[in-house]
Amino acid sequence: DTGVSQNPRHKITKRGQNVTFRCDPISEHNRLYWYRQTLGQGPEFLTYFQNEAQLEKSRLLSDRFSAERPKGSFSTLEIQRTEQGDSAMYLCASSLAMSEGTEAFFGQGTRLTVV
Amino acid sequence: QQQVKQSPQSLIVQKGGISIINCAYENTAFDYFPWYQQFPGKGPALLIAIRPDVSEKKEGRFTISFNKSAKQFSLHIMDSQPGDSATYFCASRVRATDKLIFGTGTRLQVFP
Repeated sequence: DTGVSQNPRHKITKRGQNVTFRCDPISEHNRLYWYRQTLGQGPEFLTYFQNEAQLEKSRLLSDRFSAERPKGSFSTLEIQRTEQGDSAMYLCASSLAMSEGTEAFFGQGTRLTVV
Repeated sequence: QQQVKQSPQSLIVQKGGISIINCAYENTAFDYFPWYQQFPGKGPALLIAIRPDVSEKKEGRFTISFNKSAKQFSLHIMDSQPGDSATYFCASRVRATDKLIFGTGTRLQVFP
């Protein structure tokens, strides 16, 4: 499979629990992005990595959120002490950084429901 | 602060008709303007994209028109088909980061 892979596809958790999502980007892509999409809205940027370095974080990313990309390959997004407002689709995308930029390819997303 | 405004929010078109979706941006640090198509339960998929030095790009039934001075761009879907029924997002890419700023989306329904 040559696309962006995200696991799990769905996650239901109780408020206050911690959750972790995984993203496997397209193998040759060195940039990896996390976005959050709530119902009826466009994806909102959360953070991105170039190789293993986290280069930018949105103000949307509270201190309960942490993302890692330890070896510059797959990435994890952890949410601690989940709140009902965290319910959303979490999307991962990857691209290959070039001087003129390239298209970002998205995974199918992980839908989080906090009950 | 929303930097990409998209309209309409929803659109109903008869099969064979033309679907037109409009976007406007504010930030001049954008260097690339893609449109994404999203089906329910799926991630966004790149449909067509344009760079600001081009005024129009056509791929099959899909055309982007770009007006740099007005900071506006639009998607035209010719001969709309029921299979085109989806949510469409315009986006603007921030130069040097590839980060995307998305519009709020347009839900397109094409009836036979």
